[in-house]
Amino acid sequence: QKEVEQNSGPLSVPEGAIASLNCTYSDRVSQSFFWYRQYSGKSPELIMSIYSNGDKEDGRFTAQLNKASQYVSLLIRDSQPSDSATYLCAAPQGGSEKLVFGKGTKLTVNP
Amino acid sequence: GAGVSQSPSNKVTEKGKDVELRCDPISGHTALYWYRQSLGQGLEFLIYFQGNSAPDKSGLPSDRFSAERTGGSVSTLTIQRTQQEDSAVYLCASIQGSNYGYTFGSGTRLTVV
Repeated sequence: QKEVEQNSGPLSVPEGAIASLNCTYSDRVSQSFFWYRQYSGKSPELIMSIYSNGDKEDGRFTAQLNKASQYVSLLIRDSQPSDSATYLCAAPQGGSEKLVFGKGTKLTVNP
Repeated sequence: GAGVSQSPSNKVTEKGKDVELRCDPISGHTALYWYRQSLGQGLEFLIYFQGNSAPDKSGLPSDRFSAERTGGSVSTLTIQRTQQEDSAVYLCASIQGSNYGYTFGSGTRLTVV
């Protein structure tokens, strides 16, 4: 199993819907998780971090962490066309100072 | 500076030539990372600097790749004898401390023809 895995999608949702992006991880990462958003042709930008089991909300974004099942998710409520991007899940590789990234899930929000 | 600056933004080079990619991190950021992203692939770690030293260079794909950082600031990634498989976007990121909240530069798109 790779350290961080994501369904590459693509995921398509209508405007106003909830978009759900999922990520699973192995025992080889430390249990802090980061969601980055990457617009086409641009560099990734950090949008959410989560360190504890449960939910963390920031505006329309909610990150969820379930350590028992080893998955982390990002929910985007009231999706907007401007949310269309690739979303990258990342975690620190155990015992190191670097983040390992999933391959990303491409989200398209249709007007 | 206000953000992480990378240059050049685009580089087209002939197979076998050497290239240098530059990263100027956010002022005061002690840690600097290089990643690369190939088409349809995730971010692949290359090397990490803490100050001027590189505690982790495990991601460098071959001995054709090297990097240095001087004055705890600017870093240069050098690729010698470029190959077509080196074509990718090379991203630099910096952070203050160890909170993993990377700030990425806009990247250098390298095309080897």
